[in-house]
Amino acid sequence: DIQMTQSPSSLSASVGDTVTITCRANQNINSYLNWYQQKPGKAPILLIYAASSLQSGVPSRFSGSGSGTDFTLTINGLQPEDFATYYCQQNYNTWTFGQGTKVENK
Amino acid sequence: QITLKESGPTLVKPTQSLTLTCTFSGFSLRNSGVGVGWIRQPPGKPLEWLTLIYWDDDKRYSPSIRGRVTITTDTSKNQVVLAMTNVNPDDTATYYCAHLQTRGWISFFDFWGQGALVTVSS
Repeated sequence: DIQMTQSPSSLSASVGDTVTITCRANQNINSYLNWYQQKPGKAPILLIYAASSLQSGVPSRFSGSGSGTDFTLTINGLQPEDFATYYCQQNYNTWTFGQGTKVENK
Repeated sequence: QITLKESGPTLVKPTQSLTLTCTFSGFSLRNSGVGVGWIRQPPGKPLEWLTLIYWDDDKRYSPSIRGRVTITTDTSKNQVVLAMTNVNPDDTATYYCAHLQTRGWISFFDFWGQGALVTVSS
């Protein structure tokens, strides 16, 4: 099974900050990596697919990078609506989510 | 506009079976490159992919749940059904169905239902 490990599990940041979340796979998954945002009580929203492609309608302050085993989600200029939990997901072999990273207001 | 909605029981007793229905609109499960998956999330825990059915009726199951879960589709009704047997309290979760889009080898869940909370308790 492909395991996805995110770090940190939580972080505190302020509006305007640049936030970086890391996701690591336990084997090479090329660029088959997606990122989702989830707010409490709501369904996840797709942000990034194929490691770095921005989903339609998602603000450009969100970006993704990486390939192989190490991936990054960056939020440039954190906005109030960005406080949420973020999940990575591999689609190299079926689908597996990371354990999530909660972005909290400092 | 693609929409999905989960329906089913909110409370199930241990050892019983659970059936959840995903009713969707805005796409056809006959369209190449499309799938519908089920993902669950226990309270306060991460997302867990369970199963998926493709446009060509190919099916995938998570190893963690294989043997207890079956996914089927009724394309005439635009529905996908998740059937789970022998439930236990660890199956308590919000169950989501989601539209899968594939582009070559890439795939992603781009539309999700609102989720349905299922509690397993006697």
